[in-house]
Amino acid sequence: GESVGLHLPTLSVQEGDNSIINCAYSNSASDYFIWYKQESGKGPQFIIDIRSNMDKRQGQRVTVLLNKTVKHLSLQIAATQPGDSAVYFCAETESGGGADGLTFGKGTHLIIQP
Amino acid sequence: EPEVTQTPSHQVTQMGQEVILRCVPISNHLYFYWYRQILGQKVEFLVSFYNNEISEKSEIFDDQFSVERPDGSNFTLKIRSTKLEDSAMYFCARTRTPSGEETQYFGPGTRLLVL
Repeated sequence: GESVGLHLPTLSVQEGDNSIINCAYSNSASDYFIWYKQESGKGPQFIIDIRSNMDKRQGQRVTVLLNKTVKHLSLQIAATQPGDSAVYFCAETESGGGADGLTFGKGTHLIIQP
Repeated sequence: EPEVTQTPSHQVTQMGQEVILRCVPISNHLYFYWYRQILGQKVEFLVSFYNNEISEKSEIFDDQFSVERPDGSNFTLKIRSTKLEDSAMYFCARTRTPSGEETQYFGPGTRLLVL
Protein backbone atom coordinates (compact mmCIF):
# COMPACT_ATOMS: atom_id res chain seq x y z
CA GLY A 1 0.00 0.00 0.00
CA GLU A 2 0.94 3.66 0.02
CA SER A 3 3.57 4.61 2.53
CA VAL A 4 5.68 7.43 3.76
CA GLY A 5 9.34 6.72 4.38
CA LEU A 6 12.56 8.38 5.41
CA HIS A 7 15.94 8.20 3.69
CA LEU A 8 18.23 8.36 6.74
CA PRO A 9 17.50 6.58 10.01
CA THR A 10 20.13 8.55 11.97
CA LEU A 11 21.49 12.04 11.46
CA SER A 12 24.30 13.44 13.59
CA VAL A 13 25.08 17.17 13.48
CA GLN A 14 27.19 19.58 15.47
CA GLU A 15 25.44 21.96 17.82
CA GLY A 16 24.83 25.22 16.03
CA ASP A 17 24.83 23.68 12.58
CA ASN A 18 21.78 23.38 10.38
CA SER A 19 20.17 19.99 9.86
CA ILE A 20 18.02 18.64 7.07
CA ILE A 21 15.76 15.65 7.53
CA ASN A 22 14.24 14.11 4.42
CA CYS A 23 11.08 12.18 3.73
CA ALA A 24 9.74 10.49 0.62
CA TYR A 25 6.10 9.68 0.11
CA SER A 26 4.43 7.55 -2.50
CA ASN A 27 0.78 8.57 -2.32
CA SER A 28 0.18 11.13 -5.05
CA ALA A 29 -3.15 11.97 -3.44
CA SER A 30 -1.48 13.19 -0.25
CA ASP A 31 -2.32 16.83 0.26
CA TYR A 32 -1.41 17.59 3.84
CA PHE A 33 1.91 16.95 5.52
CA ILE A 34 3.09 17.30 9.09
CA TRP A 35 6.42 17.01 10.85
CA TYR A 36 6.43 15.68 14.38
CA LYS A 37 9.18 15.51 16.96
CA GLN A 38 9.22 12.65 19.43
CA GLU A 39 11.41 12.62 22.49
CA SER A 40 12.07 9.42 24.36
CA GLY A 41 8.99 8.18 26.21
CA LYS A 42 6.75 10.97 24.96
CA GLY A 43 4.07 11.42 22.36
CA PRO A 44 4.68 13.02 18.96
CA GLN A 45 4.88 16.80 19.21
CA PHE A 46 3.69 18.95 16.32
CA ILE A 47 6.41 21.02 14.68
CA ILE A 48 5.14 22.37 11.40
CA ASP A 49 2.74 21.49 8.61
CA ILE A 50 2.28 22.25 4.94
CA ARG A 51 -0.43 21.80 2.38
CA SER A 52 0.09 20.52 -1.13
CA ASN A 53 -0.65 23.92 -2.66
CA MET A 54 2.52 25.28 -1.05
CA ASP A 55 6.17 24.39 -1.55
CA LYS A 56 7.69 26.09 1.46
CA ARG A 57 6.65 27.11 4.91
CA GLN A 58 8.69 28.62 7.71
CA GLY A 59 8.35 28.54 11.44
CA GLN A 60 10.62 29.41 14.29
CA ARG A 61 14.02 27.92 13.33
CA VAL A 62 12.27 25.35 11.14
CA THR A 63 11.39 25.27 7.45
CA VAL A 64 9.46 22.62 5.59
CA LEU A 65 9.94 22.16 1.87
CA LEU A 66 7.60 20.18 -0.33
CA ASN A 67 8.44 18.94 -3.81
CA LYS A 68 5.34 17.33 -5.22
CA THR A 69 7.01 16.45 -8.50
CA VAL A 70 9.30 13.96 -6.83
CA LYS A 71 7.10 13.39 -3.79
CA HIS A 72 9.70 14.64 -1.37
CA LEU A 73 9.40 16.50 1.91
CA SER A 74 12.17 17.94 4.04
CA LEU A 75 12.52 19.57 7.43
CA GLN A 76 15.28 22.08 7.96
CA ILE A 77 16.28 23.02 11.48
CA ALA A 78 18.48 26.07 11.82
CA ALA A 79 21.16 26.47 14.47
CA THR A 80 20.49 23.15 16.14
CA GLN A 81 20.42 22.99 19.91
CA PRO A 82 20.78 20.05 22.30
CA GLY A 83 17.03 20.12 22.83
CA ASP A 84 16.53 19.29 19.17
CA SER A 85 17.79 15.75 19.78
CA ALA A 86 14.82 13.50 19.10
CA VAL A 87 13.23 11.27 16.51
CA TYR A 88 11.52 13.21 13.73
CA PHE A 89 8.59 11.78 11.80
CA CYS A 90 6.88 13.00 8.70
CA ALA A 91 3.21 12.20 8.35
CA GLU A 92 0.67 12.69 5.62
CA THR A 93 -3.00 12.44 4.91
CA GLU A 94 -5.06 12.63 1.76
CA SER A 95 -8.05 14.68 2.56
CA GLY A 96 -8.76 17.89 4.34
CA GLY A 97 -11.28 16.37 6.66
CA GLY A 98 -10.82 15.55 10.29
CA ALA A 99 -11.61 11.86 10.15
CA ASP A 100 -8.58 10.61 8.27
CA GLY A 101 -5.76 8.94 10.08
CA LEU A 102 -2.22 10.07 9.51
CA THR A 103 0.29 7.85 7.74
CA PHE A 104 3.66 8.16 9.44
CA GLY A 105 7.13 7.59 8.12
CA LYS A 106 9.66 5.45 9.94
CA GLY A 107 11.46 8.29 11.69
CA THR A 108 14.92 9.84 11.70
CA HIS A 109 16.92 10.02 14.89
CA LEU A 110 18.60 13.41 15.09
CA ILE A 111 21.64 13.51 17.36
CA ILE A 112 23.15 16.86 18.31
CA GLN A 113 26.82 16.67 19.19
CA PRO A 114 28.39 19.33 21.43
CA GLU B 1 0.76 21.47 28.67
CA PRO B 2 -0.57 18.34 26.93
CA GLU B 3 -3.58 18.55 24.67
CA VAL B 4 -4.95 15.38 26.19
CA THR B 5 -4.18 13.27 29.19
CA GLN B 6 -4.04 9.51 29.08
CA THR B 7 -4.44 6.92 31.78
CA PRO B 8 -2.79 4.78 32.83
CA SER B 9 0.70 5.85 31.86
CA HIS B 10 1.85 2.22 32.08
CA GLN B 11 -0.05 -1.04 32.17
CA VAL B 12 1.15 -4.61 32.46
CA THR B 13 -1.31 -7.39 31.69
CA GLN B 14 -1.40 -11.09 31.07
CA MET B 15 -2.05 -12.43 27.61
CA GLY B 16 -5.76 -12.96 27.04
CA GLN B 17 -6.84 -10.29 29.50
CA GLU B 18 -8.91 -7.25 28.59
CA VAL B 19 -7.44 -3.77 28.93
CA ILE B 20 -9.06 -0.37 28.71
CA LEU B 21 -6.98 2.66 27.86
CA ARG B 22 -8.40 6.08 28.57
CA CYS B 23 -8.01 9.46 26.98
CA VAL B 24 -9.32 12.61 28.60
CA PRO B 25 -9.43 15.64 26.33
CA ILE B 26 -8.78 18.89 28.09
CA SER B 27 -11.42 20.73 26.12
CA ASN B 28 -14.47 19.48 24.34
CA HIS B 29 -13.70 18.77 20.70
CA LEU B 30 -15.16 16.34 18.25
CA TYR B 31 -12.39 14.40 16.49
CA PHE B 32 -10.37 11.82 18.39
CA TYR B 33 -7.90 9.23 17.24
CA TRP B 34 -6.00 6.23 18.55
CA TYR B 35 -2.56 5.28 17.32
CA ARG B 36 -0.06 2.69 18.44
CA GLN B 37 3.70 2.55 18.25
CA ILE B 38 5.52 -0.72 18.68
CA LEU B 39 8.92 -0.18 20.27
CA GLY B 40 11.38 1.26 17.77
CA GLN B 41 8.86 1.46 14.98
CA LYS B 42 6.72 4.13 13.39
CA VAL B 43 3.41 5.39 14.68
CA GLU B 44 0.44 3.53 13.19
CA PHE B 45 -3.12 4.76 12.87
CA LEU B 46 -5.81 2.61 14.48
CA VAL B 47 -9.11 4.48 14.44
CA SER B 48 -10.74 7.88 14.29
CA PHE B 49 -13.87 8.78 16.20
CA TYR B 50 -16.28 11.57 15.46
CA ASN B 51 -19.58 12.48 17.05
CA ASN B 52 -19.66 9.22 19.02
CA GLU B 53 -19.07 7.05 15.97
CA ILE B 54 -16.08 5.45 14.28
CA SER B 55 -15.18 7.49 11.21
CA GLU B 56 -12.27 5.51 9.87
CA LYS B 57 -10.27 2.49 10.96
CA SER B 58 -7.15 0.77 9.76
CA GLU B 59 -6.52 -2.91 9.08
CA ILE B 60 -4.92 -3.18 12.49
CA PHE B 61 -8.19 -2.27 14.18
CA ASP B 62 -9.78 -5.71 14.11
CA ASP B 63 -12.55 -7.24 16.19
CA GLN B 64 -10.46 -7.35 19.35
CA PHE B 65 -10.46 -3.54 19.46
CA SER B 66 -13.32 -1.22 20.28
CA VAL B 67 -13.67 2.46 21.09
CA GLU B 68 -16.31 4.44 22.83
CA ARG B 69 -16.99 7.64 24.69
CA PRO B 70 -19.11 6.31 27.51
CA ASP B 71 -19.63 9.44 29.54
CA GLY B 72 -19.30 12.09 26.87
CA SER B 73 -15.87 13.00 28.11
CA ASN B 74 -13.42 10.10 28.38
CA PHE B 75 -12.51 8.38 25.14
CA THR B 76 -11.57 4.74 25.61
CA LEU B 77 -9.79 2.05 23.63
CA LYS B 78 -10.59 -1.50 24.69
CA ILE B 79 -8.54 -4.51 23.72
CA ARG B 80 -10.64 -7.56 24.48
CA SER B 81 -8.13 -10.39 24.56
CA THR B 82 -4.61 -9.09 24.56
CA LYS B 83 -1.84 -10.78 22.62
CA LEU B 84 1.89 -10.49 23.06
CA GLU B 85 2.11 -8.40 19.90
CA ASP B 86 -0.25 -5.81 21.38
CA SER B 87 2.64 -4.59 23.51
CA ALA B 88 3.21 -1.03 22.37
CA MET B 89 2.72 2.63 23.17
CA TYR B 90 -0.85 3.72 22.54
CA PHE B 91 -1.45 7.38 21.77
CA CYS B 92 -4.66 9.31 21.80
CA ALA B 93 -4.82 12.37 19.57
CA ARG B 94 -7.33 15.04 18.81
CA THR B 95 -7.79 17.91 16.43
CA ARG B 96 -7.80 21.29 18.03
CA THR B 97 -10.95 22.81 16.59
CA PRO B 98 -14.50 21.48 16.35
CA SER B 99 -14.34 21.82 12.58
CA GLY B 100 -11.76 19.05 12.47
CA GLU B 101 -8.71 20.74 10.99
CA GLU B 102 -6.11 18.21 10.02
CA THR B 103 -3.45 18.89 12.61
CA GLN B 104 -3.59 16.19 15.23
CA TYR B 105 -2.18 16.76 18.70
CA PHE B 106 -1.01 13.77 20.64
CA GLY B 107 -1.22 12.76 24.26
CA PRO B 108 1.70 11.38 26.26
CA GLY B 109 0.71 7.77 25.60
CA THR B 110 0.07 4.58 27.56
CA ARG B 111 2.79 1.97 27.56
CA LEU B 112 1.14 -1.46 27.39
CA LEU B 113 3.12 -4.59 28.13
CA VAL B 114 1.49 -7.96 27.53
CA LEU B 115 3.17 -10.90 29.24
